Amino acid sequence: QQQVKQSPQSLIVQKGGISIINCAYENTAFDYFPWYQQFPGKGPALLIAIRPDVSEKKEGRFTISFNKSAKQFSLHIMDSQPGDSATYFCAASIGGTASKLTFGTGTRLQVTL
Amino acid sequence: GAVVSQHPSWVICKSGTSVKIECRSLDFQATTMFWYRQFPKQSLMLMATSNEGSKATYEQGVEKDKFLINHASLTLSTLTVTSAHPEDSSFYICSARGVQRQLNQPQHFGDGTRLSIL
Repeated sequence: QQQVKQSPQSLIVQKGGISIINCAYENTAFDYFPWYQQFPGKGPALLIAIRPDVSEKKEGRFTISFNKSAKQFSLHIMDSQPGDSATYFCAASIGGTASKLTFGTGTRLQVTL
Repeated sequence: GAVVSQHPSWVICKSGTSVKIECRSLDFQATTMFWYRQFPKQSLMLMATSNEGSKATYEQGVEKDKFLINHASLTLSTLTVTSAHPEDSSFYICSARGVQRQLNQPQHFGDGTRLSIL
């Protein structure tokens, strides 16, 4: 059972554009929603995370928007750069930052010049 | 920042052999470590949760006798793939969380171990 659905599977954005990746979850017990960035051959690195009592969180060029009623959350990458080209995973957990994570299926982002 | 190191980063071995992968927290004590498996172009799937000094908790469908996990200290957990076969070839990634007073600290991931079984 896929508890966290992620779309799109792949995304091509021009340099300077906005990259938007969406996730939807089913389990209302989830209380922590992080986004990870993964480069080939590397482990995932935490980008930004949000809790369900907040509707938006921004850190630099990265913003999470959270819609609790719709059980959806999204990652926006502003002013996308070629260095942002990677695979992005949304995730969710019950019990906060240190609990086991359920990952989305991933989005391969390519930022072109 | 917190660093998690995995060793080896890449291993190739013959079918039927056993392979041990180490996961170390270098600058913090990790009461809990998680082991994930990732097939090419797929997501990370949690295999097991490892708590220091106790037996690991395996996710449904993961064979505990095939994937042996040991978490003998606060800085080291090991995953041993026993009698490995080609279908066990994958990217294995660990993550670690700090001691109880650091509950709000996120998991820190290692850089993974690529296992290829011939």
